[in-house]
Amino acid sequence: GESVGLHLPTLSVQEGDNSIINCAYSNSASDYFIWYKQESGKGPQFIIDIRSNMDKRQGQRVTVLLNKTVKHLSLQIAATQPGDSAVYFCAENLGGSNYKLTFGKGTLLTVNP
Amino acid sequence: DVKVTQSSRYLVKRTGEKVFLECVQDMDHENMFWYRQDPGLGLRLIYFSYDVKMKEKGDIPEGYSVSREKKERFSLILESASTNQTSMYLCASSFMDRAKTQYFGPGTRLLVL
Repeated sequence: GESVGLHLPTLSVQEGDNSIINCAYSNSASDYFIWYKQESGKGPQFIIDIRSNMDKRQGQRVTVLLNKTVKHLSLQIAATQPGDSAVYFCAENLGGSNYKLTFGKGTLLTVNP
Repeated sequence: DVKVTQSSRYLVKRTGEKVFLECVQDMDHENMFWYRQDPGLGLRLIYFSYDVKMKEKGDIPEGYSVSREKKERFSLILESASTNQTSMYLCASSFMDRAKTQYFGPGTRLLVL
């Protein structure tokens, strides 16, 4: 089965609220994780990444949290805007020389004005 | 900014036709990838190339071949298109030393009739 999954396939929030998108992974050997955003009709866009030696990383309005104990990854978006509406994917990598990313199926985030 | 371009946004072909999808990146990336994206299945890796003339099979290479004659260009070839190859095709590229962070093109939506 999927080694990277999502708790919720859809998430609807009000503009200005904070959004939290969750992702579970099953491979404890994964050491690198990425969040991508995919708007309708476009290719996935890199948002933020985190390595397994960290538990938190912040970007512009986004924060990724990694809990290795329960193999859980989350993406927090502060002050969600209509432009944030998209499908969000998490991806994991085993590290080392392994190039392969394993992608989750995605969560559709809808921001209501 | 990283720029990955794909030759067509939309393509309609007939069963049995030979189809070429081209991808060009302008960031001197060593690695290039071809994925297909289908509803409910997420992104699946078709082929990967880590250098000119080098290629490796991904998870679903059957029915596809690839060509990398120049570093910036990676082509996906459907030797004899079939209806089950109707999909969104995404190209990505990355540096060798940051093999995990892949940057995607806008995608080609292929319809095989």
